[in-house]
Amino acid sequence: GAGVSQTPSNKVTEKGKYVELRCDPISGHTALYWYRQSLGQGPEFLIYFQGTGAADDSGLPNDRFFAVRPEGSVSTLKIQRTERGDSAVYLCASSLTYPDRERGNIQYFGAGTRLSVL
Amino acid sequence: AQSVAQPEDQVNVAEGNPLTVKCTYSVSGNPYLFWYVQYPNRGLQFLLKYITGDNLVKGSYGFEAEFNKSQTSFHLKKPSALVSDSALYFCAVRDPLEGGSYIPTFGRGTSLIVHP
Repeated sequence: GAGVSQTPSNKVTEKGKYVELRCDPISGHTALYWYRQSLGQGPEFLIYFQGTGAADDSGLPNDRFFAVRPEGSVSTLKIQRTERGDSAVYLCASSLTYPDRERGNIQYFGAGTRLSVL
Repeated sequence: AQSVAQPEDQVNVAEGNPLTVKCTYSVSGNPYLFWYVQYPNRGLQFLLKYITGDNLVKGSYGFEAEFNKSQTSFHLKKPSALVSDSALYFCAVRDPLEGGSYIPTFGRGTSLIVHP
């Protein structure tokens, strides 16, 4: 079946602009995660959804970042007033179960959206 | 707090030789440990995990990892490397104690290069 799909694959924007990044998880997966990966670093947690609600948004760096998942499937990560430091690859992952209910919860990752803020 | 370290940015090995990619961790209790692999322009793919039980865990593509509690390590190994194993490898840890994070912490990654 189809994996996690992220669009666009690349996004170039200017400093101060607003961007939206989309994630389409594996069908039937209840949990969805957003990570940010900077060059030479591992994925850094941003936010995690159980269904439609954000169960943990402790990784969002500031209030310019916001994510929604209105119908419990597709999610959109929104970044306002982009800054050059926001440039990174934004990864989305999904899992069949919630991580607090399955000890060995496995995440399935999309290929990411490479965001470049000029 | 949970943390994980991958001390090598890059590992070079000749095809057919055994390979080891190192990972050490720090958690309050007994850890949940994971290895993921990332090929260019692809998402991270799950390789294997340790939750409990046998310290030697076998995973996809002939990889295995050994959990060593005394050394707080979870090194990834393969007896005979293939050129196609060349990729970026990430170790991740999750602290299962109540109140701990449900989200794994990932290491910085180790680039494995297998030479023909």
